[in-house]
Amino acid sequence: EDQVTQSPEALRLQEGESSSLNCSYTVSGLRGLFWYRQDPGKGPEFLFTLYSAGEEKEKERLKATLTKKESFLHITAPKPEDSATYLCAVRRNTGNQFYFGTGTSLTVIP
Amino acid sequence: NAGVTQTPKFQVLKTGQSMTLQCAQDMNHEYMSWYRQDPGMGLRLIHYSVGAGITDQGEVPNGYNVSRSTTEDFPLRLLSAAPSQTSVYFCASMRSSSYEQYFGPGTRLTVT
Repeated sequence: EDQVTQSPEALRLQEGESSSLNCSYTVSGLRGLFWYRQDPGKGPEFLFTLYSAGEEKEKERLKATLTKKESFLHITAPKPEDSATYLCAVRRNTGNQFYFGTGTSLTVIP
Repeated sequence: NAGVTQTPKFQVLKTGQSMTLQCAQDMNHEYMSWYRQDPGMGLRLIHYSVGAGITDQGEVPNGYNVSRSTTEDFPLRLLSAAPSQTSVYFCASMRSSSYEQYFGPGTRLTVT
């Protein structure tokens, strides 16, 4: 069965304190792994797509990496506006479905 | 572009009532989908469509119907609402070649 597990569930950081969020997955034949950001009361917003192990993508203070079993979202010198829930999702080579993890709630304290 | 729009934003139903959640997109995306989001459960796929006239079931399709008569619209019908359907519902669309999903603002549904 396809599974996506995110850790930690919640993370509190001081402004400027770098850290990483983890997304581990078990899926037979990965087509892609996706990161989204979700603000309270809003729909998820797309951040990154990763297709193969070793791939990295960056956007401002965020960098996403992918191995054969997990992905990391590294946050460098976070700011309070980075506070949100970060969601990870996968899609298999076969079929048209996306499977989401339960997310990591990030709070950055000024 | 308005992107993905959903109506209503909030809805309260009594058990057994039916209703339709509306979803529209103006980006000419082939793929559209409906998710529900519950605390501790993450986003779960209800139904999806890869193009007009084509729909398929996701992880949790029971109690819901969909149709896709146009590229732009993908309504979700609750046939006979149950308290277990209390949730936040999100519609999403994407170009089939990109895998980048655009989500609507959501509909918060409460069934009493």
